[in-house]
Amino acid sequence: IQMTQSPSSLSASVGDRVTITCRASQAINTYLAWYQQRPGQVPKLLLYAASTLHSGAPSRFSGSKSGTDFTLTISGLQPEDVASYYCQQYSSAPFTFGPGTRVDVK
Amino acid sequence: EVQLVDSGGAFVQPGGSLRLSCEASGFTFATSGMSWVRQAPGKGLEWVSYISSSAIYYADSVRGRFTISRDMAKRSLFLQMDSLRVEDTAVYYCAGTGRFFQDWGRGTLVTVSS
Repeated sequence: IQMTQSPSSLSASVGDRVTITCRASQAINTYLAWYQQRPGQVPKLLLYAASTLHSGAPSRFSGSKSGTDFTLTISGLQPEDVASYYCQQYSSAPFTFGPGTRVDVK
Repeated sequence: EVQLVDSGGAFVQPGGSLRLSCEASGFTFATSGMSWVRQAPGKGLEWVSYISSSAIYYADSVRGRFTISRDMAKRSLFLQMDSLRVEDTAVYYCAGTGRFFQDWGRGTLVTVSS
């Protein structure tokens, strides 16, 4: 299963609503996770099952699904959200990651 | 508290071998699926291999060269890497539990170069 993400990078202002899209090459039900990796840090799980917020992740992060398209939304971008974001399907092996989206603050 | 401590990374020549280890604590290791995920310098995340009580999986890029295993008594996960290539250069993370990854080790650097 191939995973694509768009955009590959974006720059937005603090407080903006940011949307990242991930598309699976075939149906994966809701077996999708989102990760945040800040520069120089280990990746952190944000959401799983497409829309379930992981314990400790800020509530401004949310996820949704439409067919094989998945969306990560940041409702009110914060300076600490500067990071790369990755989707990952775990419907079937190999458990592929998307190529990532880099988010910067203007 | 879950802790994953990965180790074993080193500088190795192409064609060489290396064994990575990950010591786990704070959860039921015996019933938890575990993975290795790698990240080449400046690149994205790449899932490498997964092991559970009922299955073992590999990425196409490492199948036949890497072997994942675990020692329940030592609560440790391993990745035996043979026939290493320059393109295997990456930080390798131990990650779990299950098929998505809520816990990560700090990573261990593998450099393959002549």
